[in-house]
Amino acid sequence: DQQVKQNSPSLSVQEGRISILNCDYTNSMFDYFLWYKKYPAEGPTFLISISSIKDKNEDGRFTVFLNKSAKHLSLHIVPSQPGDSAVYFCAAIEYNYGQNFVFGPGTRLSVLP
Amino acid sequence: EAGVTQFPSHSVIEKGQTVTLRCDPISGHDNLYWYRRVMGKEIKFLLHFVKESKQDESGMPNNRFLAERTGGTYSTLKVQPAELEDSGVYFCASSHLDRNEKGYTFGSGTRLTVV
Repeated sequence: DQQVKQNSPSLSVQEGRISILNCDYTNSMFDYFLWYKKYPAEGPTFLISISSIKDKNEDGRFTVFLNKSAKHLSLHIVPSQPGDSAVYFCAAIEYNYGQNFVFGPGTRLSVLP
Repeated sequence: EAGVTQFPSHSVIEKGQTVTLRCDPISGHDNLYWYRRVMGKEIKFLLHFVKESKQDESGMPNNRFLAERTGGTYSTLKVQPAELEDSGVYFCASSHLDRNEKGYTFGSGTRLTVV
């Protein structure tokens, strides 16, 4: 059973608009979350993180929101750029005790010029 | 610093053959992980080394998969004999022993196709 879910396999957004990628998790012990970005033929690279003590973390055009009660997080990209087109993975861990990050299936974002 | 290096980048083998994947982590990274992504699904955990010791191999699918990390440096993942369902992209990742707030550094992966 998937502990980290990304229910939208793909998303298309117009350049300059906001991209919103969603992630849901089932394990209430998860308290640290990452977003990774992956281009074709490359490995995933770290994008942004959030701890459960926060509900928002911002880094430039990227903002991650965490709703602990709903076990839901989202990644907002504003404004979206064609270079943002990639697969985005959500990952979670129980920070102090977990041994490895658990990843979702990814969402393929296409930013159209 | 050099990143995580995986070799080969692609491998096409026939069912029943043996394949060995190699991962060179970032120098000084004691944690080394193997993950696999099959058919666009989630990146699934296979196993975790701390230096040369297997810390967690709960994700290994079956005994056809054997991972080693002799000397605590590079790691190999051998599949013998390979089956069709083993096809996918195998990622290696590494990190420092201390908790890394930016997660792991991944290699580019090895795309394995079993025909």
